[in-house]
Amino acid sequence: NAGVTQTPKFRVLKTGQSMTLLCAQDMNHEYMYWYRQDPGMGLRLIHYSVGEGTTAKGEVPDGYNVSRLKKQNFLLGLESAAPSQTSVYFCASSYSTGAGELFFGEGSRLTVL
Amino acid sequence: GGNVEQHPSTLSVQEGDSAVIKCTYSDSASNYFPWYKQELGKRPQLIIDIRSNVGEKKDQRIAVTLNKTAKHFSLHITETQPEDSAVYFCAASGYGANSKLTFGKGITLSVRP
Repeated sequence: NAGVTQTPKFRVLKTGQSMTLLCAQDMNHEYMYWYRQDPGMGLRLIHYSVGEGTTAKGEVPDGYNVSRLKKQNFLLGLESAAPSQTSVYFCASSYSTGAGELFFGEGSRLTVL
Repeated sequence: GGNVEQHPSTLSVQEGDSAVIKCTYSDSASNYFPWYKQELGKRPQLIIDIRSNVGEKKDQRIAVTLNKTAKHFSLHITETQPEDSAVYFCAASGYGANSKLTFGKGITLSVRP
């Protein structure tokens, strides 16, 4: 099992460009999440999904969109990247929400110039 | 999970000593409290968790204690080793399909050889 896989692992964008981060999990988990990690800010939830075809906003959703067309994939999109979106992005999945272990991907480092 | 606060933000201990990392939470409905460890450049991984019906849980050199009245919980690491050096995140959530983990900002633990 690969667990949770994120692509790409590194990306540099110019302000205003768009991009999509892909997250794939092979554990048949219902729940998937996108977090961003910034120095001194911990892990902040961007968007999450409780099942195929569903998405919901987290703590810091502005500037991002997501889609969950297939149970195993969760895509995070930036339509018009801004320097404030420079961050490390982590995808995670879990068998259940709340009281369940999160399995994280390796992270994707995004720099917006 | 409401707000989750971690103190201090950094902690340095001598190898072999014990380390205690404390977290407070604001939502009295929270009843699941995990701890995640993130080594430098790696993904966060669950190391131990506790549920509200238990006051203490141990796993080899690590333990977690919970005080629901005071709304705080702590991670205890005994006989610290250099490989314990990492960022530790506490988190809190309730149960149920709509509950989500709220993470603290993380504490950087350094174990001096």
